[in-house]
Amino acid sequence: AQSVAQPEDQVNVAEGNPLTVKCTYSVSGNPYLFWYVQYPNRGLQFLLKYITGDNLVKGSYGFEAEFNKSQTSFHLKKPSALVSDSALYFCAVREVYGNNRLAFGKGNQVVVIP
Amino acid sequence: DAGVTQSPTHLIKTRGQQVTLRCSPKSGHDTVSWYQQALGQGPQFIFQYYEEEERQRGNFPDRFSGHQFPNYSSELNVNALLLGDSALYLCASTQGGGRAPDTQYFGPGTRLTVL
Repeated sequence: AQSVAQPEDQVNVAEGNPLTVKCTYSVSGNPYLFWYVQYPNRGLQFLLKYITGDNLVKGSYGFEAEFNKSQTSFHLKKPSALVSDSALYFCAVREVYGNNRLAFGKGNQVVVIP
Repeated sequence: DAGVTQSPTHLIKTRGQQVTLRCSPKSGHDTVSWYQQALGQGPQFIFQYYEEEERQRGNFPDRFSGHQFPNYSSELNVNALLLGDSALYLCASTQGGGRAPDTQYFGPGTRLTVL
């Protein structure tokens, strides 16, 4: 079964500094990987996904993520954080040839300090 | 382009009651998945509907059931509510049964509180 680990409960970063949110995954085959963001009392908003090809994926709002197969990681990054990036971030995985349900991590609260 | 919509926004029920939540998928999508997000947790997959049939099911009891209509909209029904069913219920839509790596787009959710 597929699973995701997001090891940090909260990530604090100063506005303008680089932001990194960590994610490691476990699947029996090749993965499809996703990042979503959730603002208070809202649903999940899609940021980016990795399917195949280039290990560096660029997404919405200046976010990018790097797929590392040897480390089974898919860390989310942003070069310069904004206060408006403060939200809950979820990493999710599904198997390429398995079922198509998404398995989510527990989420990381990102706090960008002005 | 209408996104995924869900109703109602909030719902308060008492233990033992039954509840129905509704979802309309994003325009052009025919596959609907339901997720439960407990407080402080990531979403957990409940089940997925495609071609008006339940195609996959997560680790949820039979008290959780659903339906998909010919217009692709979907309902989630929960019977004999327990306190532990209190959560944000999210609907996500995609297309073609979700076999391709298409993105699942989520609605705003229904907040269910069981007293």
